[in-house]
Amino acid sequence: QQQVKQSPQSLIVQKGGISIINCAYENTAFDYFPWYQQFPGKGPALLIAIRPDVSEKKEGRFTISFNKSAKQFSLHIMDSQPGDSATYFCAASRTGFQKLVFGTGTRLLVSP
Amino acid sequence: DTEVTQTPKHLVMGMTNKKSLKCEQHMGHRAMYWYKQKAKKPPELMFVYSYEKLSINESVPSRFSPECPNSSLLNLHLHALQPEDSALYLCASSQDRSGGPREQFFGPGTRLTVL
Repeated sequence: QQQVKQSPQSLIVQKGGISIINCAYENTAFDYFPWYQQFPGKGPALLIAIRPDVSEKKEGRFTISFNKSAKQFSLHIMDSQPGDSATYFCAASRTGFQKLVFGTGTRLLVSP
Repeated sequence: DTEVTQTPKHLVMGMTNKKSLKCEQHMGHRAMYWYKQKAKKPPELMFVYSYEKLSINESVPSRFSPECPNSSLLNLHLHALQPEDSALYLCASSQDRSGGPREQFFGPGTRLTVL
């Protein structure tokens, strides 16, 4: 119930293409879903986050799509660039709980 | 200032050493976190401090001892560690205000190697 399942484990996308990473959760009490980007040897950086009262949130080239009935959410990176090559983690939490439940991570490689 | 800073960046220690990791934030956040991250894995929560009081201990071995001297500082004291404790140790902070933003901001981490 506390798990967040993330796929794919790794992803190779051509420069200019669309990168799509998917996450699924079971606990319907989750009400906050952030995505983090992590470069090797660095800490995770908050990329974008969504709450379940909206179905989509866009910030620049990054979009979260949220499907409450399916208990799924995804990150879309438009016009992917080599500088986007990193590990991406989805996460979830619920009101009143400080703990973030992380997905297993996706290693994205954008080829030039 | 929207930064969480951590020192040192790298630390190598023997199993009998005592060392400390330090974390600092000046965003006025009242919750601070310690995470451990192994290679190719997500961060794993260790401790949470809320308003300078320990609110969560994820059954972490006593060789890790957290301390929150004030609302801006978080320390992690290390003693008698094992080689399997080698990892990236991350500090994070968040507002911890009821109904407020829940974003956690991470520091760059301390790369710990236990020999």
